[in-house]
Amino acid sequence: RKEVEQDPGPFNVPEGATVAFNCTYSNSASQSFFWYRQDCRKEPKLLMSVYSSGNEDGRFTAQLNRASQYISLLIRDSKLSDSATYLCVVRGGNKLVFGAGTILRVKS
Amino acid sequence: EAEVAQSPRYKITEKSQAVAFWCDPISGHATLYWYRQILGQGPELLVQFQDESVVDDSQLPKDRFSAERLKGVDSTLKIQPAELGDSAMYLCASSPGAAFQETQYFGPGTRLLVL
Repeated sequence: RKEVEQDPGPFNVPEGATVAFNCTYSNSASQSFFWYRQDCRKEPKLLMSVYSSGNEDGRFTAQLNRASQYISLLIRDSKLSDSATYLCVVRGGNKLVFGAGTILRVKS
Repeated sequence: EAEVAQSPRYKITEKSQAVAFWCDPISGHATLYWYRQILGQGPELLVQFQDESVVDDSQLPKDRFSAERLKGVDSTLKIQPAELGDSAMYLCASSPGAAFQETQYFGPGTRLLVL
């Protein structure tokens, strides 16, 4: 079983749609959680950290459920520019473990 | 805005040849990471340096891969001999320290194709 599992997608959605991605992790001792965004042929960039209380950054909302070892990312009012791969990332100790990513395609 | 620099950006080589990648982290960043990202997968940590010391190289295939950060600044990753399965993107990242909440900043990566 992979340490971090994501639905690879692709999720094809129209502009303006709301879309949600989920991620599960296997290490219950994981300490920190993040969503990274990776554009095609580019490097990953931090989108947002994920806190137990949930957090929001503009159109993006992240949630963490430690009991179920589950992380989610909600994107509201999708834009064409949101098209990318979204990587779920978990830190255990001093090491980041990346999921394989979920592909989002937003179409006009 | 300071960035992580990597070179070359692209490398094509034949199997059994040696290749080397270079990374210059953001100035002042003590921690440097090398990741490998195979197409369709997430980045996988190969080696982590704290200053000039290796902190974690448990996933580095040491029979063919080596990494160094001699002066605790820039770093090189070498593969000798390269194999077909080494074709991937090699990403370098840096962070100010090793604290749990610190962001890792990635360089643009080196795309390696082994023929």
